[in-house]
This record gives sequence, structure tokens and C-alpha cells, in this order.
Amino acid sequence: NAGVMQNPRHLVRRRGQEARLRCSPMKGHSHVYWYRQLPEEGLKFMVYLQKENIIDESGMPKERFSAEFPKEGPSILRIQQVVRGDSAAYFCASSPGAGGQNEQYFGPGTRLTVT
Amino acid sequence: AQSVTQLDSQVPVFEEAPVELRCNYSSSVSVYLFWYVQYPNQGLQLLLKYLSGSTLVKGINGFEAEFNKSQTSFHLRKPSVHISDTAEYFCAVDTGGFKTIFGAGTRLFVKA
Repeated sequence: NAGVMQNPRHLVRRRGQEARLRCSPMKGHSHVYWYRQLPEEGLKFMVYLQKENIIDESGMPKERFSAEFPKEGPSILRIQQVVRGDSAAYFCASSPGAGGQNEQYFGPGTRLTVT
Repeated sequence: AQSVTQLDSQVPVFEEAPVELRCNYSSSVSVYLFWYVQYPNQGLQLLLKYLSGSTLVKGINGFEAEFNKSQTSFHLRKPSVHISDTAEYFCAVDTGGFKTIFGAGTRLFVKA
């Protein structure tokens, strides 16, 4: 059973470009979480999705950021018009069910660098 | 609102010595508690979790943690560390909703 997969592992974008980060959850998992990790900081929750639905996006910046988890295919975190402050590691996690008692399995992350 | 405080940002320790990484949380409701480990350039891996029951929780790689409700703490311990334990450790809390709150992390550095 493959783990959570994220691609690309490293992404370099110039200011103003778009960044698309992909996450394929573990087989059988329909719950996906996105987190952002800034240097020397812990993970900050961004958004929680189930198939085709955004359940909680309270951690997402109101502008330029969006997420989706379509019926088919990976979950996508999209950042439009990137700025230097978006440089961070973005981690995706998946779980088999909702609620805190379900363990989240993390992907290796995508390291975004904005030049 | 829930919060997690990891009291030490860095913990240097010699190989085979014991270690304790401290974590305090605040919450007005019952919580689930977790410790994760992150090796360089990798994602997080679950070490152990407290959901209910016994307050002493054993995890992988010889780690254990004790839930102390009165002190709102969930400290992580290992009686004898190895060089390979060098990593960043994150304490996390969840109230059963959709959002897990992570601490800022403690960098454990094991010296030979």
C-alpha cells in the first residue's frame, strides 16, 4: 500500500506565477488535509477536504489560495500570483475517517521557493 | 481555542542518555494528543497517540509519553537515545474535530 504521495517535491516559482501542488492520498483514504510549515515553525492547518467537498478551510488565506479534491485524481493546492512569503514546505496528510482519533498519514511535502 | 506549547526549541543530549521533550496544551474540552517525528526533508511520522484509557502511552522506537490531565501535559520520554533519534519532534492536539494543532517543534540533537 503506497503511502501519501506529493509532487513535485521541490517547486521554484517567480513572483506572480502560479503554483500547483498535488497530493495523492493513501488507497482507501477519502479525507485530505493540507498544512504549511514555515522555517523554524510547526505545521499550520490550512484546509480539510473530503471527496469533492471542502469541509474546513479556516486556515487558508482568503486570497490567492484554493484547494480541491475531485472525485477522480489527486487533491490540488493552488496558489495564484505567488509572493516570497509563500515560500514554505506544504504537507498533505490523509486519513481513513473524520475526527481526531483517526491517524493522519503525511506525505513527504512539497518545498516551494518563490524567487 | 486549543493551543500547544513545546517548552524547548532544541534539546542536545549524548547518545545513550535519557531524554524528555516537554509539551503542554490548553483546551476547554477533552483532547486527543499526538507526538510526531520529522526527519530532515521528510514528512511527519506518528510516534504515539493518546485517545483515552491508560495515561502512559508507548510508541515506536522506544518512545513513551504520559498524559497528565491536571498539569495539561503530554511529555515524551526515551530512556536511552541513539544517534538515529536526531530529528524534530512535534506535539499535537485534536479535540475530535477536523483541525489538528501542532506545537512549534523541538529539535533533538543526539551527540556521540
